[in-house]
Amino acid sequence: EVHLVESGGGLVQPGGSLRLSCAASGFTFSGYNMNWVRQAPGKGLEWVSYISSSSSTIHYGDSVKGRFTISRDNANDSLYLQMNSLRAEDSAVYYCARGRYGRSWYIDSWGQGTLVTVSS
Amino acid sequence: QSVLTQPPSVSGAPGQRVTISCDVNISYFGPVIDIHWYQQLPGAAPKLLIYSNTNRPSGIPDRFSASKSGSSASLAITGLQAEDEADYYCQSYDISLNYVFGPGTTVTV
Repeated sequence: EVHLVESGGGLVQPGGSLRLSCAASGFTFSGYNMNWVRQAPGKGLEWVSYISSSSSTIHYGDSVKGRFTISRDNANDSLYLQMNSLRAEDSAVYYCARGRYGRSWYIDSWGQGTLVTVSS
Repeated sequence: QSVLTQPPSVSGAPGQRVTISCDVNISYFGPVIDIHWYQQLPGAAPKLLIYSNTNRPSGIPDRFSASKSGSSASLAITGLQAEDEADYYCQSYDISLNYVFGPGTTVTV
């Protein structure tokens, strides 16, 4: 069974930094593209970042470009999101999400999420 | 205009059939795209409900079905149950926009 467990969320001041982690198990992590998707309180889903299985391709949403960095460690089945220059609007639950390709990309597995709150 | 448009809410009585539309703004996407659907129960993470327009992952009841025609997709829930109260999101993918989610529809039973 696919298992994705996020950690690292918490309260941080505006302008601060936070590093999220996602521990993967139950599948061959190195064979899958991964994503971070976030959800602000009471709002919808927003894709944040994508990393290919070998880390050769990385994409970011416009709202986080230049501030967030996605990375992965296939040897340790882990996904990361380094978040710098945090803003109040970055407050959200952040989900680690596995990408899957049918005839286009979709997310077939989600973690339980980790809450990030940016506030003074 | 949104890339993907969904009604904010739909409601139905237990046992009834409800549908949720997802309209694609073809100004953003090419003419042929796939729509995927997710269910998010209150306080829980999203879960894949339908992929590639019409396909149910294993474990998803056949009460859930979906279709797509042209620039519009639709999710149907038949035999509505109290446990179906949730937010439902459609999603597509574009090489420049990456994953795009609709605004979500709240289903009330």
